[in-house]
Amino acid sequence: DAGITQSPRYKITETGRQVTLMCHQTWSHSYMFWYRQDLGHGLRLIYYSAAADITDKGEVPDGYVVSRSKTENFPLTLESATRSQTSVYFCASTRGLNEKLFFGSGTQLSVL
Amino acid sequence: LAKTTQPISMDSYEGQEVNITCSHNNIATNDYITWYQQFPSQGPRFIIQGYKTKVTNEVASLFIPADRKSSTLSLPRVSLSDTAVYYCLVGLTGGGNKLTFGTGTQLKVEL
Repeated sequence: DAGITQSPRYKITETGRQVTLMCHQTWSHSYMFWYRQDLGHGLRLIYYSAAADITDKGEVPDGYVVSRSKTENFPLTLESATRSQTSVYFCASTRGLNEKLFFGSGTQLSVL
Repeated sequence: LAKTTQPISMDSYEGQEVNITCSHNNIATNDYITWYQQFPSQGPRFIIQGYKTKVTNEVASLFIPADRKSSTLSLPRVSLSDTAVYYCLVGLTGGGNKLTFGTGTQLKVEL
């Protein structure tokens, strides 16, 4: 759905560099999520946010930082990228926890 | 945490009905069951959601037995374009950190 967009679509970086992945949604959804997807692991939750200025850890938060100063944006930062963080990252949003999730198109990140 | 278990893969032919079952033994009273479909290089997209018994929409049906410890996604008359990974998700009322997907079921549809 065009209402949630991720950027960049592709990113190549080097180990030790800081990288920020952007996520923007136009629906004013309260909840936003970051997932990473790797072969054999399905989708794993990194961080989520229940509202502006409220964030919490998911299943695999180590090495990542998030912020949510505005409802529509939920950036994900890798403070010092490692090769193990090479993955496809998906952002998602929803109005409520029993409502359907809407996903972005993903960011394919390669850490060399 | 309502962990889910699904078959890793399934094969079918065009025109057949496909049933994918998800086991969720620890489902909480207020949890809904939601299924998503994912094509390569795309984010998952919502297919269907239910709480109990049967739900049907234009693309699928969802069957949930009385004990709610499992659910079955039914895709009628599949086509090649239904080849995708299908995820079952439960555990929404436990908080946002419970929205963790399993590994999903890779469905392959052949002619």
